[in-house]
Amino acid sequence: DAKTTQPPSMDCAEGRAANLPCNHSTISGNEYVYWYRQIHSQGPQYIIHGLKNNETNEMASLIITEDRKSSTLILPHATLRDTAVYYCIVRVADSNYQLIWGAGTKLIIKP
Amino acid sequence: NAGVMQNPRHLVRRRGQEARLRCSPMKGHSHVYWYRQLPEEGLKFMVYLQKENIIDESGMPKERFSAEFPKEGPSILRIQQVVRGDSAAYFCASSPGQGANTEAFFGQGTRLTVV
Repeated sequence: DAKTTQPPSMDCAEGRAANLPCNHSTISGNEYVYWYRQIHSQGPQYIIHGLKNNETNEMASLIITEDRKSSTLILPHATLRDTAVYYCIVRVADSNYQLIWGAGTKLIIKP
Repeated sequence: NAGVMQNPRHLVRRRGQEARLRCSPMKGHSHVYWYRQLPEEGLKFMVYLQKENIIDESGMPKERFSAEFPKEGPSILRIQQVVRGDSAAYFCASSPGQGANTEAFFGQGTRLTVV
């Protein structure tokens, strides 16, 4: 699977949009981009995933660049409970579910 | 629909003992994955199972570790003769299929401490 690069940490003010970047410059055409988060050593929580088009659900939006070499996870109105480590992962289509996890971005929401 | 259930949440074992970690997947999910996480690190894949079959165990240590997912009952990750280096959080995930467009849902993990 393609390797991802994320900043190790970010701050965001409560109520503002949190934009978390991810670089995946070696991504292949059949690889999906997944985002999970982990709140203080709990089990990882699925957030969103996409292939080429931008995606939105009740938790977040995922913006994927046209060349697919990078993406941004957007939490539109961050709350203190969004403080967590956010992981960006790419996954090959039709592969076993062997997610390759990096170190993620530690997002701290400040009041 | 209950989520992925793991038990125990915390497990303490002395060196040389056996540790058995259990995972009940979400209802309707027949694919189970085990991951290990050391402090301050991302998750590391260990093994992928479907009912009664090990599909991919490329992340499992060759010795002392085994996993099963019987026809009835939970998936079990078994660690024999535990050592201090086995201390970690072990997470189980399940999904209804294995396609890349299928998300997996994780349990809350079992935190193993070897003393």
